[in-house]
Amino acid sequence: EAGVVQSPRYKIIEKKQPVAFWCNPISGHNTLYWYLQNLGQGPELLIRYENEEAVDDSQLPKDRFSAERLKGVDSTLKIQPAELGDSAVYLCASSFSGDAYEQYFGPGTRLTVT
Amino acid sequence: DAKTTQPPSMDCAEGRAANLPCNHSTISGNEYVYWYRQIHSQGPQYIIHGLKNNETNEMASLIITEDRKSSTLILPHATLRDTAVYYCIVRVARRDDKIIFGKGTRLHILP
Repeated sequence: EAGVVQSPRYKIIEKKQPVAFWCNPISGHNTLYWYLQNLGQGPELLIRYENEEAVDDSQLPKDRFSAERLKGVDSTLKIQPAELGDSAVYLCASSFSGDAYEQYFGPGTRLTVT
Repeated sequence: DAKTTQPPSMDCAEGRAANLPCNHSTISGNEYVYWYRQIHSQGPQYIIHGLKNNETNEMASLIITEDRKSSTLILPHATLRDTAVYYCIVRVARRDDKIIFGKGTRLHILP
């Protein structure tokens, strides 16, 4: 079974540039999460989707961050414009709504803003 | 904020049992104890969870005290591949419940 796929794995951009991250969840998983992980810290939830609906985006900085999950499968997280403080690892996770116990994480995208 | 307290780092000799402690003194009756780990450059990986009874699977054992205020994750025969950050998490087992991670314990397995 393929795991959660994320791309790119690494991205280096200059500040004020836009950037986008892509996530393909495990087949059949209708819940998708985006987490942000700063160096030395645990991941923090940015947004959670149930199918196409964003049901928890309270931690998403909406002035520069946006996300979409068209057709309830793949998802894209965008930052525009990027700031130096956005340098971090962006993790995508998915779970099956019938299984409350485990979230499956992708390898993450490491973003460096210069 | 995370509802758990873990030591920032621990060492364990390869082949020995690694015992990772976690305090969760404010845990509620409907909250489970979960453990995830994160190997370098990878996303977190689920290990085990429990409510009040001790649990064991192919990866680890989870020992929860009778008052549920603390727990211990046991890796019975640690290998170098077990070097990772281990997160102890308290959460209600609802499908829509987000995981609140703390800083975890960085476990170093020594050859």
